Amino acid sequence: AQSVTQLDSQVPVFEEAPVELRCNYSSSVSVYLFWYVQYPNQGLQLLLKYLSGSTLVKGINGFEAEFNKSQTSFHLRKPSVHISDTAEYFCAVIWVTGFQKLVFGTGTRLLVSP
Amino acid sequence: GAGVSQSPRYKVAKRGQDVALRCDPISGHVSLFWYQQALGQGPEFLTYFQNEAQLDKSGLPSDRFFAERPEGSVSTLKIQRTQQEDSAVYLCASSTGLDYNEQFFGPGTRLTVL
Repeated sequence: AQSVTQLDSQVPVFEEAPVELRCNYSSSVSVYLFWYVQYPNQGLQLLLKYLSGSTLVKGINGFEAEFNKSQTSFHLRKPSVHISDTAEYFCAVIWVTGFQKLVFGTGTRLLVSP
Repeated sequence: GAGVSQSPRYKVAKRGQDVALRCDPISGHVSLFWYQQALGQGPEFLTYFQNEAQLDKSGLPSDRFFAERPEGSVSTLKIQRTQQEDSAVYLCASSTGLDYNEQFFGPGTRLTVL
């Protein structure tokens, strides 16, 4: 079955420290990969996406992610976080065998403290 | 506004009541998706429309759930005889439908079934 795993339910970090949020998915067939951010009482906002090409993808707000096909991973990183980055982060995958259904992980709550 | 809108934002229903949740996609977007997000979980796919055609409803949890998009624009998700396990945030997303394109999410409707 197609699944997306975010092992860390919560990641606490101090402001200006680097952070990595991990994401693994279940199959190495052709995929599109995404990271979304959700602020309280708001909808999902796309941070970045990988469709093809360079495996290092840069997104908004200084985030980047690297696609590793052999490890079926798409970890999200930021070199220096801000208080305003406190939010829920979701990794999502489209398996390119059908239409554009997103399969989401369970999310990682990033808590940035001063 | 230019984004996806959903109404109501909050709905409280007594168990056994019917509810209807509305989604207004971005004008001109061909594809429309419904997702269900239970507390502490990632969104899960419910159903997908391309224009007025419902191309996939494999994620609908029971025959109490019904979705329509009769004119290929506004969509309604209806839940009959609501149960406590239906309590969740229901997210709507739309996209242009061309090959792969970003899904834009609405703010969601939080349904609480008492």
